[in-house]
Amino acid sequence: DAKTTQPNSMESNEEEPVHLPCNHSTISGTDYIHWYRQLPSQGPEYVIHGLTSNVNNRMASLAIAEDRKSSTLILHRATLRDAAVYYCILRDWDTGNQFYFGTGTSLTVIP
Amino acid sequence: DSGVTQTPKHLITATGQRVTLRCSPRSGDLSVYWYQQSLDQGLQFLIQYYNGEERAKGNILERFSAQQFPDLHSELNLSSPELGDSALYFCASSFRDKKNTEAFFGQGTRLTVV
Repeated sequence: DAKTTQPNSMESNEEEPVHLPCNHSTISGTDYIHWYRQLPSQGPEYVIHGLTSNVNNRMASLAIAEDRKSSTLILHRATLRDAAVYYCILRDWDTGNQFYFGTGTSLTVIP
Repeated sequence: DSGVTQTPKHLITATGQRVTLRCSPRSGDLSVYWYQQSLDQGLQFLIQYYNGEERAKGNILERFSAQQFPDLHSELNLSSPELGDSALYFCASSFRDKKNTEAFFGQGTRLTVV
C-alpha cells in the first residue's frame, strides 16, 4: 500500500528553485515526513525531515501543509549535482518505523 | 562520506555459492538496516537490527540471513544465491530507530550471481 504519492519525474533549469511535491493523505498525527535522494550509482542520502512545522537546513527546505496531507521539498537553486531520485517517506507505527521507499521523483536539471 | 562502510564494493558469485556482505555503521549508531535495490523492484527493505537484536523484517527470503555483532557491525548472508538475487545491497545506520531519526546509507555492494 502506497503511503506517499509523488510525480514520476520533474525537470528544472539550473539555478532556479525546484518544488518537489508529495501527497500523504493517510498520515497520522505522529508520523514524521522524511526526504531522501539517490544520486546515480550512489546510496540514498538524507535530505530533511519534519513533523508539523516547516524545516530548513543547508540542503533544502521542507514545507508541510497545515493539514499535513501533503508536503513540498524545496531546493532553492538547483544545480546539476541535484539531479537525482527524490523519495518522500513516512515513518509511522504501521511500518514499524522503517524506511519504505516508493518510486520517488526523478529530477532532471537542465543546464 | 556518510560514515557507513560496506565491503566488498563488488562481488561476483556462482549460483549456490554462499556469500557474506559486511556493513560497518557510523560510529555510535546502534541501528542497522539492509536494503536490496534491483532495476525492477526499487529499494526493498530487508531487515533491521538494533543493538544486536533483530527489530524488523521486510520481504526477506529464507536464503537471506543477517546478524549484528557486539561491535555493532552487521553481515548479510545469502546461503544459496540465485540469479535473481543480483542487485545492489545497501546498508544504513541510525543512532536510534525512532521516527524522527535520520539514517545514513553506505555506497552499497553490487552482487552479481552468475
